[in-house]
Amino acid sequence: AQRVTQPEKLLSVFKGAPVELKCNYSYSGSPELFWYVQYSRQRLQLLLRHISRESIKGFTADLNKGETSFHLKKPFAQEEDSAMYYCALSGREGTALIFGKGTTLSVSS
Amino acid sequence: NAGVTQTPKFQVLKTGQSMTLQCAQDMNHNSMYWYRQDPGMGLRLIYYSASEGTTDKGEVPNGYNVSRLNKREFSLRLESAAPSQTSVYFCASGRDSYEQYFGPGTRLTVT
Repeated sequence: AQRVTQPEKLLSVFKGAPVELKCNYSYSGSPELFWYVQYSRQRLQLLLRHISRESIKGFTADLNKGETSFHLKKPFAQEEDSAMYYCALSGREGTALIFGKGTTLSVSS
Repeated sequence: NAGVTQTPKFQVLKTGQSMTLQCAQDMNHNSMYWYRQDPGMGLRLIYYSASEGTTDKGEVPNGYNVSRLNKREFSLRLESAAPSQTSVYFCASGRDSYEQYFGPGTRLTVT
């Protein structure tokens, strides 16, 4: 079964601390993996996708097929990073994204 | 270029009432989606439309119907609202399934 697991509902860190938001997936095939972000009272927006291998707002994510993980990392958290983060998976083209339950990141000073 | 728009932004219904949530996109995307967002449950797919003229059930379709009116518009209808349908509803569109653009959401309360 296709599934995305984000084990942490809430992650609280201090400004300047490293951040790692965990994401594990279950999919028999070669999925596309994404991270979406939702700032307070705003719409969801794409943060990054594994295929582009970009760093967006200082965040990176590496697809580890052996561990079936796609953890989101940032070396130094900023207060403006506080948001809800969703990991998502896409399989066959034409099918919908499968989202995890989300992790709320809270960065305090 | 407005992207994905949704109406209304807020709605309060009584149990048993019906309503239609409207969604439109101006990006010429083939695929459109309806999700609901609930605390602790994340985003769950209600229905999606991979192309004009087709619709498919998602994870939580019960109590909902959809219409892909044309390439731009994808509406979600609640025929007889129930308190369990209190949620935030998001519409999204995408050129393919790999990247989706979301609307601002509709906050629905059913009393």
